[in-house]
Amino acid sequence: DGGITQSPKYLFRKEGQNVTLSCEQNLNHDAMYWYRQDPGQGLRLIYYSQIVNDFQKGDIAEGYSVSREKKESFPLTVTSAQKNPTAFYLCASRSSRRGNQPQHFGDGTRLSIL
Amino acid sequence: GQNIDQPTEMTATEGAIVQINCTYQTSGFNGLFWYQQHAGEAPTFLSYNVLDGLEEKGRFSSFLSRSKGYSYLLLKELQMKDSASYLCAVSPADRGSTLGRLYFGRGTQLTVWP
Repeated sequence: DGGITQSPKYLFRKEGQNVTLSCEQNLNHDAMYWYRQDPGQGLRLIYYSQIVNDFQKGDIAEGYSVSREKKESFPLTVTSAQKNPTAFYLCASRSSRRGNQPQHFGDGTRLSIL
Repeated sequence: GQNIDQPTEMTATEGAIVQINCTYQTSGFNGLFWYQQHAGEAPTFLSYNVLDGLEEKGRFSSFLSRSKGYSYLLLKELQMKDSASYLCAVSPADRGSTLGRLYFGRGTQLTVWP
């Protein structure tokens, strides 16, 4: 089945540690996105990529980094510079087919600090 | 800047009709999406409006007025499973690209009582 796979489902980070969240899609979508969601809040955009080897900062990029070496993959690294990383992280992708297509989301990764 | 406003919470009873409003101010407009998000899960796509008027999809309908910067999601024959957060997201004009970012509202938490 086609879809977006995020892993792991739960992740714990120690102080001063970098962690990487995986996002893979087999939908052949061109664009991919990373969002952060805090309790009772909407989605805040961290980074997005419209094409391989290119990405743009969103509203809260500080303390995060991404890469887009393959169309299928858009991993997010939460660096030690991100002082408050505890949140629900959602990855999404979107087709470039005719018309304004909706973003489709993975099941998310819940990150906590140890 | 971009501004998307929705009520924070709403309540309704089973079988009733509820209307969730969304107002927006964005730099250009290229469509508005509604998503449903159950607690702890990923958002799922409900509807898309780019032209003025009502789009009906089963128990759910969505309306758009571009001149007023206003949309609503109408849920009929409410069921307990409709208890969720409903997110409004606007696609700003992006030089012809449909792969750019969305701007999300904070979501409206709907509780359906028996």
